[in-house]
Amino acid sequence: DGGITQSPKYLFRKEGQNVTLSCEQNLNHDAMYWYRQDPGQGLRLIYYSQIVNDFQKGDIAEGYSVSREKKESFPLTVTSAQKNPTAFYLCASSIDGAGTEAFFGQGTRLTVV
Amino acid sequence: SQQGEEDPQALSIQEGENATMNCSYKTSINNLQWYRQNSGRGLVHLILIRSNEREKHSGRLRVTLDTSKKSSSLLITASRAADTASYFCATDAGANNLFFGTGTRLTVIP
Repeated sequence: DGGITQSPKYLFRKEGQNVTLSCEQNLNHDAMYWYRQDPGQGLRLIYYSQIVNDFQKGDIAEGYSVSREKKESFPLTVTSAQKNPTAFYLCASSIDGAGTEAFFGQGTRLTVV
Repeated sequence: SQQGEEDPQALSIQEGENATMNCSYKTSINNLQWYRQNSGRGLVHLILIRSNEREKHSGRLRVTLDTSKKSSSLLITASRAADTASYFCATDAGANNLFFGTGTRLTVIP
């Protein structure tokens, strides 16, 4: 089945540690995105990538890093520099990113303990 | 910020009633999309309306777009308990990504 998969579903991190969230898609989409969602809030864009080996900062990129070495994969690293990392993280992909329909993963809930 | 704003923030209706949600945005767009999110899950695409369209239907959904007022509305007719979710509008704002609103939380009471 085609789709977009995020893992893990739940993740716990100690303060001061880096952690990487996985996002894989088999939809052959060029564009991929990472969003952060806080309780009762909308989605805020962290990073997006229009093509392999290229990515752009979104509105809240500080304390996060990404890579796009393969078309199918767009992992997000939450670094120790992110002061308030506890949130729900959503990965999405779309055919070409030009405001086309986005397909979302089921999300990863990150909690700092 | 290019983020849209949905109104109302929360809406509670009886099953069978219609639900109307509104979205306002700030900049010119190529298209506007509506998504649904069940609690703790990812978003699911509902409908896309292009800037040169004024109205679009999909099943029980009806979307309107008024580019002069920079606003859109989503109407869900004959609501069901299963329609309970948060609904978000998203715009491209002429850029290569999507900007989401703050969402309307809809509760349909059986």
